[in-house]
Amino acid sequence: DVKVTQSSRYLVKRTGEKVFLECVQDMDHENMFWYRQDPGLGLRLIYFSYDVKMKEKGDIPEGYSVSREKKERFSLILESASTNQTSMYLCASKAGHNQPQHFGDGTRLSIL
Amino acid sequence: KQEVTQIPAALSVPEGENLVLNCSFTDSAIYNLQWFRQDPGKGLTSLLLIQSSQREQTSGRLNASLDKSSGRSTLYIAASQPGDSATYLCAVLRGEDSNYQLIWGAGTKLIIKP
Repeated sequence: DVKVTQSSRYLVKRTGEKVFLECVQDMDHENMFWYRQDPGLGLRLIYFSYDVKMKEKGDIPEGYSVSREKKERFSLILESASTNQTSMYLCASKAGHNQPQHFGDGTRLSIL
Repeated sequence: KQEVTQIPAALSVPEGENLVLNCSFTDSAIYNLQWFRQDPGKGLTSLLLIQSSQREQTSGRLNASLDKSSGRSTLYIAASQPGDSATYLCAVLRGEDSNYQLIWGAGTKLIIKP
C-alpha cells in the first residue's frame, strides 16, 4: 500500500513565523502535491511537482513556496505565516498522470 | 472551464439501504474520474478511478460508473453500513491544458443511521 506521511497532525504557529510542512511518500512516485482544504472552499491546489527539483504553481501559490530535493520528500514552506493561512493542509502523491492520487492524513495548522 | 458538481451536499439514510451519489462535470474532455472518501479530520482515501475509456469500476460494495457524453458519474454503495459514513468527493483529471490537475467537486456528506 502507498504510504504518504505528513510530519505533523496538528501545528500551532505565530504570525510572521516561517513554517515548514513536510511530506514523505514511500512508493517512488514522481508526482507530489500540496493542497489546502477550507470549509466552503473545498480542496485548492497550492503547488505540485513532477520530479526532483521541479515545481509548478497551483491555483493559490501566494504566500507559499515548496522544496523537492529528494524524490520522496516534498516540503511546503510558509515564508511568513499569516492568520489567513490557518487551514487543513493535505499532501498527495501519484505515480503517473492516469494513476490514483494518494493522500496523507493532513496537517491542521493554526496561525495565531 | 471545467466545473464539477456533487448533489446532494448531504444525505442521511438508514443502514442497509443501497444508495447512489452523483457527480457531474461540464466538459467531457477528461482523462479519468476519481472517487475519494474523507473521514472527519482526516486525509482522503482513493476509492475508485475510472479511465475515460471505461464505463465502470467495482470494488467490493462500491460501483462507480462514468458517462462522458452526459458529463455524469455515479457512485453506488450497496448494503450501506454505519462505517460508510464520510464525505465522498469526486474529481476529474483534465489533460495537458490543465497540467493534468484534478478538478474537485465539493463533496457529499453521507450519514448512515444504525
